[in-house]
Amino acid sequence: SQQGEEDPQALSIQEGENATMNCSYKTSINNLQWYRQNSGRGLVHLILIRSNEREKHSGRLRVTLDTSKKSSSLLITASRAADTASYFCATDAGETSGSRLTFGEGTQLTVNP
Amino acid sequence: EPEVTQTPSHQVTQMGQEVILRCVPISNHLYFYWYRQILGQKVEFLVSFYNNEISEKSEIFDDQFSVERPDGSNFTLKIRSTKLEDSAMYFCASSTEQGINQPQHFGDGTRLSIL
Repeated sequence: SQQGEEDPQALSIQEGENATMNCSYKTSINNLQWYRQNSGRGLVHLILIRSNEREKHSGRLRVTLDTSKKSSSLLITASRAADTASYFCATDAGETSGSRLTFGEGTQLTVNP
Repeated sequence: EPEVTQTPSHQVTQMGQEVILRCVPISNHLYFYWYRQILGQKVEFLVSFYNNEISEKSEIFDDQFSVERPDGSNFTLKIRSTKLEDSAMYFCASSTEQGINQPQHFGDGTRLSIL
């Protein structure tokens, strides 16, 4: 199996509901990053959580990190139709700056108006 | 907000031809990356570049591929003798030098179609 696996693979909710996506990984990491990708577009950086952090907030986003379980979750509160996109976690396990990111398979989130 | 820009947005090439994908990273960034995403699959790392040399490459990045920073602003990925399986979205990214734990900022990608 791969570093950075998300679940669920697809999530469909109604506008206003919360969306939770999970990510698991296998190796020790420096940080874990969440990205959003609208269909056919590039990856937009959402939030970075360091290995010594347990929770981080940014607007309607809340990310948690459990290094003992090698897992992270992304919560989007009060979802909007514009949140419809694919969401990817990516881990940075390098020992120096400029290390590769290892991406998960992604969760396709659909927010219905 | 500064952006990574990539050109062209879509490139169609005959199998066996060479292609050059271009990127302009964010101006004060010093680390540059190429990733690819085959349709329906996850994003895969190809190569990272720092101080005018490759700092890390994946097993995908074989002799068919090369990268170059020909001037102070552009960062290019060259694919020689393209194959059908090279069809993918290619993303350029950049990040700052200010220690580890810096986010990578991605461009909108170049869709490469090999016929």
